[in-house]
Amino acid sequence: DIQMTQSPSSLSASVGDRVTITCRASQTISNYLNWYQQKPGKAPNLLIYAASSLQSGVPSRFSGSGSGTDFTLTISSLEPEDFATYYCLQSYTTPRTFGQGTKLEIK
Amino acid sequence: QVQLQESGPGLVKPSETLSLTCNVSGGSISSYYWSWIRQPAGKGLEWIGRIYSSGSTNYNPSLKSRVTMSVDTSKNQFSLKLNSVTAADTAMYYCARDASYSRAFDYWGQGTLVTVSS
Repeated sequence: DIQMTQSPSSLSASVGDRVTITCRASQTISNYLNWYQQKPGKAPNLLIYAASSLQSGVPSRFSGSGSGTDFTLTISSLEPEDFATYYCLQSYTTPRTFGQGTKLEIK
Repeated sequence: QVQLQESGPGLVKPSETLSLTCNVSGGSISSYYWSWIRQPAGKGLEWIGRIYSSGSTNYNPSLKSRVTMSVDTSKNQFSLKLNSVTAADTAMYYCARDASYSRAFDYWGQGTLVTVSS
C-alpha cells in the first residue's frame, strides 16, 4: 500500500493567515493527489483534485501544488469557515489511501 | 446534482454481517466506480473498496476476506456487506462516487453510523 504522511497533524492559525499543509507519498503517485476538507459531523468535501485543479465551487484562496511524492495545500488567507480537518488522498492506485489528517484550529 | 444516501441497520451484533446500501439519485450509476469509505469516531478515513457499474470490484486487502460489494443498476444503487464484524468495525460509513475525470471522490453520502455491540 502507498502510505500518505501529512504534516503537521494540527495547526493553530488566525483569520487572514496564510497556511500550508504538506502530504508526502511513500512512492511516486504522479499528480494523483486530492485534498479534502471535513467539518465535524459532515462528509469530506473535495477541494483540489489532480494535485492542483480546483474543484468547482471551491474558493480560489485554496490551491494545491506538487507532483511525484511531495504535495502542498495552501490557503492564502484564512476565513472563519476554513477551520476544519484536511485530508490528502492518493488516487494513483488501489487501495486508495488517505493521510492521517491535519486539524486546523483557531489561534 | 448527484446525491448519495446510505441506509442500513445502525446496530450490528459481533460476528454478524454489516449490510449497507447506497442509493444514487440525480444521475446514473452507470460508467462510474462507487466506493465505500469508513471513519471511526475521532479518527481518519479508510477506503474499504469500490465497485464499477459493471460489477467489477477492488477491495482493500486489509478487509478483503470479509467484504462483498454488489451493484443493482436497475435501482441505481450499490451495496456493502462486511461479515464477522467486531467492535473495531464501529464507524461512520460513507459511500462516494469515484469521478472518472479526476479519480477523486467527488460526491459523498452524508454517512451512516454503524455500531457493533451485543
